[in-house]
Amino acid sequence: GAGVSQSPSNKVTEKGKDVELRCDPISGHTALYWYRQSLGQGLEFLIYFQGNSAPDKSGLPSDRFSAERTGGSVSTLTIQRTQQEDSAVYLCASSFSLAGGLETQYFGPGTRLLVL
Amino acid sequence: AQSVAQPEDQVNVAEGNPLTVKCTYSVSGNPYLFWYVQYPNRGLQFLLKYITGDNLVKGSYGFEAEFNKSQTSFHLKKPSALVSDSALYFCAVSPYSGAGSYQLTFGKGTKLSVIP
Repeated sequence: GAGVSQSPSNKVTEKGKDVELRCDPISGHTALYWYRQSLGQGLEFLIYFQGNSAPDKSGLPSDRFSAERTGGSVSTLTIQRTQQEDSAVYLCASSFSLAGGLETQYFGPGTRLLVL
Repeated sequence: AQSVAQPEDQVNVAEGNPLTVKCTYSVSGNPYLFWYVQYPNRGLQFLLKYITGDNLVKGSYGFEAEFNKSQTSFHLKKPSALVSDSALYFCAVSPYSGAGSYQLTFGKGTKLSVIP
């Protein structure tokens, strides 16, 4: 596609439920990133993928968060047993390659998650 | 660890006047520096980046930014502001190499309001 797409655009869930957020990167981009944007914390890096591999999961806020990427393309961020503090906008980005900080990351529109 | 400071939460400027949005950074070694813009309920849109070379970087929509190594700054500028420039602006840094070179560290953002 022309840009990074994310679905759903908005998600309202009840505390304790699981949610899955999807990211479709720009075609041909091998690197994929997840960030979280919240009022209190600003923009936080969560995890990155090179291909299907996520070498460093230390940015994930808790063990309720997990992410996977299949076929070097689509990625899913899963939050189990959601809490109200998980409410935020989850942004996905992709870049042509990892290449350290050199590559420009292009962002999707985000998924706005509200946990009631 | 790297960090970014955007000292102004909000900048107001009259349409047609020059604008500056300030950014300072801290990183080990050489930095890669980025500016992104976010319109309401939208993802981050890439404006420009500094990798190496000329300290003055030109980007999208008439924006430019000046890299100043001695002051560790990367201020965003535009000679003549438009009402449509009103948005939230984020400065970001990633290190040239080493730990964290795959992730962007963002400032808190500066809300730019251009007054007609």
